[in-house]
Amino acid sequence: HLQLQESGPGLVKPSETLSLTCTVSGGSITSNTYYWAWIRQPPGKGLEWIGSIYYNGNSYHNPSLESRVTTSVDTSKNLISLKLRSVTAADTAVYYCARHYTTVTYFDYWGQGTLVTVSS
Amino acid sequence: DIQMTQSPSTLSASVGDRVTITCRASQSVSSWLAWYQQKPGKAPKLLIYKASTLESGVPSRFSGSGSGTEFTLTISSLQPDDFATYYCQQYNGFWTFGQGTKVDIK
Repeated sequence: HLQLQESGPGLVKPSETLSLTCTVSGGSITSNTYYWAWIRQPPGKGLEWIGSIYYNGNSYHNPSLESRVTTSVDTSKNLISLKLRSVTAADTAVYYCARHYTTVTYFDYWGQGTLVTVSS
Repeated sequence: DIQMTQSPSTLSASVGDRVTITCRASQSVSSWLAWYQQKPGKAPKLLIYKASTLESGVPSRFSGSGSGTEFTLTISSLQPDDFATYYCQQYNGFWTFGQGTKVDIK
């Protein structure tokens, strides 16, 4: 049974870097069938795709966030990571990791999400 | 970016009602559309993909239709567990979601 678990600091100061990891269990992140994605949801608002990464490091990101986002993968630990630089209060959100097939498709498995608040 | 617009934003209904939610895309997404259900404090759950294909384990009272720019999600007989927020999502390019439709108790 596949499980995704996000982790990281719940509070980040403005202008600093938000760093999160997503650990995958019950399946291998090196499957050649799937990409692994980050999606966020500001409190009370809708969903925004941040970026997706393949086990070999191939990645693509939302153009609106591209300049501030880095995604990476650690196959030895079966996890993916997200870094978002120069955060502001507008980056306060629940951050989810999720899985999708290698083509641009739907997200079939999601983590439970982690709330990150940007505040001094 | 392809913009997705859902209507209504909020829908009040009773158990047993037939409920329909509409999602419109700013340009054609063919049939590359998914629907999700989200409950408070939980991650979205995939209900339907490719506009009308029911995800495994999802009750058959949920159905989806449409193609191109207009899509609908229908719940044939609303159950207590169905009060939630529903999102459409296109995947004919980078992913974008609708703003959500909250189904609450009338």
